[in-house]
Amino acid sequence: GAGVSQSPSNKVTEKGKDVELRCDPISGHTALYWYRQSLGQGLEFLIYFQGNSAPDKSGLPSDRFSAERTGGSVSTLTIQRTQQEDSAVYLCASSFSGGGSTYEQYFGPGTRLTVT
Amino acid sequence: SQQGEEDPQALSIQEGENATMNCSYKTSINNLQWYRQNSGRGLVHLILIRSNEREKHSGRLRVTLDTSKKSSSLLITASRAADTASYFCATAVFSGTYKYIFGTGTRLKVLA
Repeated sequence: GAGVSQSPSNKVTEKGKDVELRCDPISGHTALYWYRQSLGQGLEFLIYFQGNSAPDKSGLPSDRFSAERTGGSVSTLTIQRTQQEDSAVYLCASSFSGGGSTYEQYFGPGTRLTVT
Repeated sequence: SQQGEEDPQALSIQEGENATMNCSYKTSINNLQWYRQNSGRGLVHLILIRSNEREKHSGRLRVTLDTSKKSSSLLITASRAADTASYFCATAVFSGTYKYIFGTGTRLKVLA
């Protein structure tokens, strides 16, 4: 079946503008994750959705960042009043979860955000 | 700081040689996973080892886990040019919910 998809693949925006990044997880995956990766760096955890539970937002770097997941499927990451330091690749991943265990994550291709 | 730290940061070897990467972490884990990333985009899952396992194999990959030392290693045998990528370890940590903490990665270059 289809993998995790993200859109847009590339986004260039001016400083101060708002952006929305979209993630379509694999059907049936209850867990959804957002990460940020700066050039040549590791992945920085942003937010985690698990089923109908309240999301784990502990990784969001500021209140300019927010995310929602509608109907337990598609997720949107919104960055308000973008800053140049927000430039990075934003990666989404989904996985099965439950039974007190965790499973492998399937990653989307990412959205490369450039703030000018 | 990052939960996982890979060592070395970069590794360059000849095709056919073995490549070993290490990962150290700080807190108790449920499992540890290794991922590969090509061209700075999406990651691909390679192998998962649970906290009660010590060694796992998958094709040319061998992963070990030492929970007493809080470390893991990934061995790629008979490397190929196509193995050139960045490799990350990720630890699953439970604190109310499960969260994955990724290391800083090892950049592997396999020379043909």
